[in-house]
Amino acid sequence: DAGVIQSPRHEVTEMGQEVTLRCKPISGHDYLFWYRQTMMRGLELLIYFNNNVPIDDSGMPEDRFSAKMPNASFSTLKIQPSEPRDSAVYFCASSLVRTGTPYNSPLHFGNGTRLTVT
Amino acid sequence: AQSVAQPEDQVNVAEGNPLTVKCTYSVSGNPYLFWYVQYPNRGLQFLLKYITGDNLVKGSYGFEAEFNKSQTSFHLKKPSALVSDSALYFCAVSGTYKYIFGTGTRLKVLA
Repeated sequence: DAGVIQSPRHEVTEMGQEVTLRCKPISGHDYLFWYRQTMMRGLELLIYFNNNVPIDDSGMPEDRFSAKMPNASFSTLKIQPSEPRDSAVYFCASSLVRTGTPYNSPLHFGNGTRLTVT
Repeated sequence: AQSVAQPEDQVNVAEGNPLTVKCTYSVSGNPYLFWYVQYPNRGLQFLLKYITGDNLVKGSYGFEAEFNKSQTSFHLKKPSALVSDSALYFCAVSGTYKYIFGTGTRLKVLA
């Protein structure tokens, strides 16, 4: 399996521009997570989906952030308009939950998108 | 409330020596505990997990972790460190709600 695939690997944009990050989860996985990693705040969960349905978006920082999962093999995280404080590495992760909750199953992370907003 | 602490920002160890990366947790109910490793410019990779059962959990790349309920700890260990083990290590805890990741410990194995 190719693992979780994220694109682009790097994104540099100017403040005010729209940014779209993309993720392809591992085939057959039923949960998809978006995380943000910064030096100051560490790893933060932004939102997660179960079977393409958003379950918890309480970590999404502002209305400028939105995420979609139109099908089982694709998700996007959009920031509009972007701001310099959005600069971070954004990770997508997926998991397959056989029993219980998604919180006792290992997460499989992509290699991330490094976003720089100038 | 759930929390996890990694008290050391960095651990240095000589190649061939045993290594320990510390993690303590706080969670109501039974904890689910995980270790992940992150290499430069890569995502986190799952190493091992404790759900229930034996207190010593074996994982990938020769790593193991010891669950200690009385001390609420879940330390990562390896009997003989390799230079290639140098990376950032994250402990994570979850209960029935939400993964909480620690702040990470940078492991540096010196040749």
